[in-house]
Amino acid sequence: KNEVEQSPQNLTAQEGEFITINCSYSVGISALHWLQQHPGGGIVSLFMLSSGKKKHGRLIATINIQEKHSSLHITASHPRDSAVYICAAPSGGGGADGLTFGKGTHLIIQP
Amino acid sequence: GEEVAQTPKHLVRGEGQKAKLYCAPIKGHSYVFWYQQVLKNEFKFLISFQNENVFDETGMPKERFSAKCLPNSPCSLEIQATKLEDSAVYFCASSRRLMAGVYEQYFGPGTRLTVT
Repeated sequence: KNEVEQSPQNLTAQEGEFITINCSYSVGISALHWLQQHPGGGIVSLFMLSSGKKKHGRLIATINIQEKHSSLHITASHPRDSAVYICAAPSGGGGADGLTFGKGTHLIIQP
Repeated sequence: GEEVAQTPKHLVRGEGQKAKLYCAPIKGHSYVFWYQQVLKNEFKFLISFQNENVFDETGMPKERFSAKCLPNSPCSLEIQATKLEDSAVYFCASSRRLMAGVYEQYFGPGTRLTVT
């Protein structure tokens, strides 16, 4: 079963700072998910990536399949980015498997 | 539809009562997953379906929990004789195959179950 580790668990930063959240996993996978959960509880899927890098607005996700590591970056952070960011990987590595989730990174961006 | 739909949004049950949660996956998605989020960010995989067949049920508590995905009906997750520890948000997700071995999961808004 995949083990997913995330760091940091909590992160407080000032508006405008560059943010990095890291995720490592133990079992080789087909693709990794980055999710965002706001205080209201809903889950938004930010990225699913199987190689290289993806960019969406101010968010960038990278993955190194050989090292079993992924990072989520936020450029020019804003208070509305405050949320919990969660990485998740297929539990057995296969794409149709249920996901194993990291414990999440609680991000607070202060104005 | 283009979104995973879950009903109800909130459900309150007394200890020992039955709880039934529903999930309508996105049309054309052949996989459905149920997850339980108990405390803050502690997610647990419960069960998955490929169409109406159970694909993986390794996360399902053997007692009290059951799930179904029948043709032309929403999928359901049922908890018999609820316990306080079942209080959680239950998320449903559906997925489709994008390419070999790669499936993207889309999450529903969740059902918050409170057992009193």
